[in-house]
Amino acid sequence: KQEVTQIPAALSVPEGENLVLNCSFTDSAIYNLQWFRQDPGKGLTSLLLIQSSQREQTSGRLNASLDKSSGRSTLYIAASQPGDSATYLCAVRSINTGGFKTIFGAGTRLFVKA
Amino acid sequence: GAGVSQSPRYKVAKRGQDVALRCDPISGHVSLFWYQQALGQGPEFLTYFQNEAQLDKSGLPSDRFFAERPEGSVSTLKIQRTQQEDSAVYLCASSPTGVNQPQHFGDGTRLSIL
Repeated sequence: KQEVTQIPAALSVPEGENLVLNCSFTDSAIYNLQWFRQDPGKGLTSLLLIQSSQREQTSGRLNASLDKSSGRSTLYIAASQPGDSATYLCAVRSINTGGFKTIFGAGTRLFVKA
Repeated sequence: GAGVSQSPRYKVAKRGQDVALRCDPISGHVSLFWYQQALGQGPEFLTYFQNEAQLDKSGLPSDRFFAERPEGSVSTLKIQRTQQEDSAVYLCASSPTGVNQPQHFGDGTRLSIL
């Protein structure tokens, strides 16, 4: 059974810092891994989608890496800003559940202080 | 519309009442997902549709939960005889087709059972 874990659960950093959020998963047979951000009272906004054959994806100040064999992904945020404050979630689509079921981690709550 | 639309945004019901939650996916999106999100947790998969076919309903917590997508576009999640533990945010997501497409989420319906 696929399990997704995110560390740390919460993180507070001063503005301008570079930071890394971690996601681990137990079953490496995945189609892809997707990183989302969620603002309070809102749905999820897709940030980056990494296919199982890829090792990383980049969008602006965000870079996500995937090491499928070790069951790990990291989201790197460069030069953090107060507007980056949100909950960040990773989600995995597993081959062994037909790719239909997406399993989410519990998220990392990020607070960037001005 | 441009994004996934869910209604109502908030629903309060008394225990034992039936509720119906609506999801309008992005036009042309084949895949549709329902998730349940408890406070402080990541979304939990409920069910998946490909067009009008419900291909995976393994996440529905009990037979009180029922979902349909009769014409392959709008979907309704129905909860019968609601209980307090049904209180959560219900999120809907859609994607164009296939397992390697990103999911796009609505803002959710916050359900409170009194």
